[in-house]
Amino acid sequence: GESVGLHLPTLSVQEGDNSIINCAYSNSASDYFIWYKQESGKGPQFIIDIRSNMDKRQGQRVTVLLNKTVKHLSLQIAATQPGDSAVYFCAEGDDYKLSFGAGTTVTVRA
Amino acid sequence: NAGVMQNPRHLVRRRGQEARLRCSPMKGHSHVYWYRQLPEEGLKFMVYLQKENIIDESGMPKERFSAEFPKEGPSILRIQQVVRGDSAAYFCASSPKTSGSYEQYFGPGTRLTVT
Repeated sequence: GESVGLHLPTLSVQEGDNSIINCAYSNSASDYFIWYKQESGKGPQFIIDIRSNMDKRQGQRVTVLLNKTVKHLSLQIAATQPGDSAVYFCAEGDDYKLSFGAGTTVTVRA
Repeated sequence: NAGVMQNPRHLVRRRGQEARLRCSPMKGHSHVYWYRQLPEEGLKFMVYLQKENIIDESGMPKERFSAEFPKEGPSILRIQQVVRGDSAAYFCASSPKTSGSYEQYFGPGTRLTVT
């Protein structure tokens, strides 16, 4: 499953498929970018980050891609699991200040 | 090692009352950040504090809102004379380092409802 365009508020994905969540950011001077996962009733949980001088970074089952030319960020989740159901936020950082996007709700279908 | 603690988790106040939200950072962290999240929206930065200092309060409303992080005890976000528009989730984050740190660890939030 994939969210396309600037941002889609929801993404439904079949369990086991790969997910792609997209985000457009606004500040070309941002130093770093972070993806957070927020489950219902909880605070944001750090997933992965990337510095502005990189274009790709991989973690466990997740990959973040940064395209500074078009100010676009994406999070790829491999083999999506039911526990991945949550709201995903991208955040851009300038020193200590984080600016969050509106979020994409990911629902995993069994 | 306990994470960031916030209390209360839920707070109901009538219009005109005061709301006090508390945040205890992770052990060893001396930098605290407060964010507000309205329904269906992302978090918005409010204020950044170090012990006994307000570093950046550019995201705080000019009136009724104040924050502190005393030498001893938790950080407090105080909202005086609450209005319905203050209903939101308020998140606190903490970090261990100074400028350039982006390792902010978030608490579970306080959900404020103004009736």
